Amino acid sequence: NAGVTQTPKFQVLKTGQSMTLQCAQDMNHEYMSWYRQDPGMGLRLIHYSVGAGITDQGEVPNGYNVSRSTTEDFPLRLLSAAPSQTSVYFCASSYTTGGEQPQHFGDGTRLSIL
Amino acid sequence: GQNIDQPTEMTATEGAIVQINCTYQTSGFNGLFWYQQHAGEAPTFLSYNVLDGLEEKGRFSSFLSRSKGYSYLLLKELQMKDSASYLCAVRTGDQAGTALIFGKGTTLSVSS
Repeated sequence: NAGVTQTPKFQVLKTGQSMTLQCAQDMNHEYMSWYRQDPGMGLRLIHYSVGAGITDQGEVPNGYNVSRSTTEDFPLRLLSAAPSQTSVYFCASSYTTGGEQPQHFGDGTRLSIL
Repeated sequence: GQNIDQPTEMTATEGAIVQINCTYQTSGFNGLFWYQQHAGEAPTFLSYNVLDGLEEKGRFSSFLSRSKGYSYLLLKELQMKDSASYLCAVRTGDQAGTALIFGKGTTLSVSS
């Protein structure tokens, strides 16, 4: 009964380093998305996927890449970390994007870029 | 552009009733969600409205007026555990991949 699992929970990086935030769901959800949450800014969509092999950009995609090779996994890659990417990152999933289909959120990854 | 407005902070006392308002101006509308988020935790789903009117779920109710671009979340019989942020989110279309646009959230503090 894991739901949406994000790893790591905390990470500190140096400017210029790259890393991958992992997200996995075991609910057979088609739709997955990545958000960042900053103080006073609310949740902002980075990238999303409507199924394996399909990804698209959200509101703030610059500096991030995603891929969706399986239904279960949706990793987020930081190509060259910058201090402006210090944030809390949430992965979310749902069966579809229609109707009363709430998004289920992972516990988040707290990322600090020095 | 897309704009969702909520009050930043609200305070209330145990046992009281509080109403958190949300106004939206979006390019389309296909449903409005309310989420609760305790400090340091993930958002959790509270309610969904797509038609005008009131939806009730126990102590929580949510109202929608599409013509006014307005919703509210009503919390009754407040408890200390209701201290959290409440996020209003609008789904802006019905095509596959239409994402949720979130407001900045309202931090509710409940005191005894």
